[in-house]
Amino acid sequence: GDSVTQMEGPVTLSEEAFLTINCTYTATGYPSLFWYVQYPGEGLQLLLKATKADDKGSNKGFEATYRKETTSFHLEKGSVQVSDSAVYFCALSHSGNTPLVFGKGTRLSVIA
Amino acid sequence: DSGVTQTPKHLITATGQRVTLRCSPRSGDLSVYWYQQSLDQGLQFLIQYYNGEERAKGNILERFSAQQFPDLHSELNLSSLELGDSALYFCASGRTDSYEQYFGPGTRLTVT
Repeated sequence: GDSVTQMEGPVTLSEEAFLTINCTYTATGYPSLFWYVQYPGEGLQLLLKATKADDKGSNKGFEATYRKETTSFHLEKGSVQVSDSAVYFCALSHSGNTPLVFGKGTRLSVIA
Repeated sequence: DSGVTQTPKHLITATGQRVTLRCSPRSGDLSVYWYQQSLDQGLQFLIQYYNGEERAKGNILERFSAQQFPDLHSELNLSSLELGDSALYFCASGRTDSYEQYFGPGTRLTVT
């Protein structure tokens, strides 16, 4: 079945550092890929998405590019802030109106 | 605010008991998804309802059941509770033609 693997956390960075959180997937066909973020005590929020190969999703300074050849969707941000501290989940879906398959999540802590 | 509401926010109960978790989707969303988030299993899809009908089933135990009512709200029933059922239970909703799912704030279940 489908699966998503993301780097183990926690990740601790200083403010303004560069962030990369790796995500790879195993799936049949060409799924859509997502990054969700969960702030402390809250539900998940969609951060960005890409629906086909070579698409780049971006939002709030975060970016991720759908790489079919490496089955990857790594999350990057050039300069993190304390407010980015959260748990980040990579996920995939084969079509609209279908369940998401999540990775285990990566906790990010940004210190001032 | 995602527009998805879940009640209660917290639930503490004893082993062997039965509880009901409630979810109201965003206005206009016909699909409701239930996910379980635990430390060891991560985020796992349980079940999806679409316009009152069960659409997809994931790793849902036989002790668990769900339904979606004509007003589109959904309830997740958990019975014969065990310590291992302690987790965060999220509900998400989505539109038929969209990949995006909108998550509620979750219900934290503690089984003692």
